[in-house]
Amino acid sequence: AQTVTQSQPEMSVQEAETVTLSCTYDTSESDYYLFWYKQPPSRQMILVIRQEAYKQQNATENRFSVNFQKAAKSFSLKISDSQLGDAAMYFCALRGGGSNYKLTFGKGTLLTVNP
Amino acid sequence: GAVVSQHPSRVICKSGTSVKIECRSLDFQATTMFWYRQFPKKSLMLMATSNEGSKATYEQGVEKDKFLINHASLTLSTLTVTSAHPEDSSFYICMTTEAFFGQGTRLTVV
Repeated sequence: AQTVTQSQPEMSVQEAETVTLSCTYDTSESDYYLFWYKQPPSRQMILVIRQEAYKQQNATENRFSVNFQKAAKSFSLKISDSQLGDAAMYFCALRGGGSNYKLTFGKGTLLTVNP
Repeated sequence: GAVVSQHPSRVICKSGTSVKIECRSLDFQATTMFWYRQFPKKSLMLMATSNEGSKATYEQGVEKDKFLINHASLTLSTLTVTSAHPEDSSFYICMTTEAFFGQGTRLTVV
């Protein structure tokens, strides 16, 4: 079974500062994918960043980057230069490799950005 | 690519009626679609996997007869909540194998 744990129900950051959201996971598969999604009040699920487990290099997307520690099964998200629009619920998710495409989600972290 | 259109975005129905939610893949052929449910301030829980041309696969604890899933074509998957009750009120959202989501449907049963 796959599990995803987000230990921070809520986080807050000052505008323009940096914040890191934590995520740990467990899987018996060697090939898998990790995702961070942003869910604003509209509840649309927006893909923030994706990491293939076989890639050692940490994925980055503009102000968003991850710290992928495969041995520790850790996948944290760093948001730099936080903006008011970054305020949302953030979900970490895990997908197995091969033909198993379903995602397992963590419980989410509610991020507040203070002006 | 991988655009999914889900509708309705919001629906209010009376107890005992049925509601159909549609997810259409606009620019690709979706042989598989996943249906998730999300309660307020909670995470997404997988309900079922929809496979084109075959029966859906339901997760443990999900009532097959209450949540009917149909995937009759490569571009359309539907979730029908039958004989809806207030406890079925929730946010339902579909997802493709490429991990792209529809816009979601907020169902309120009164």
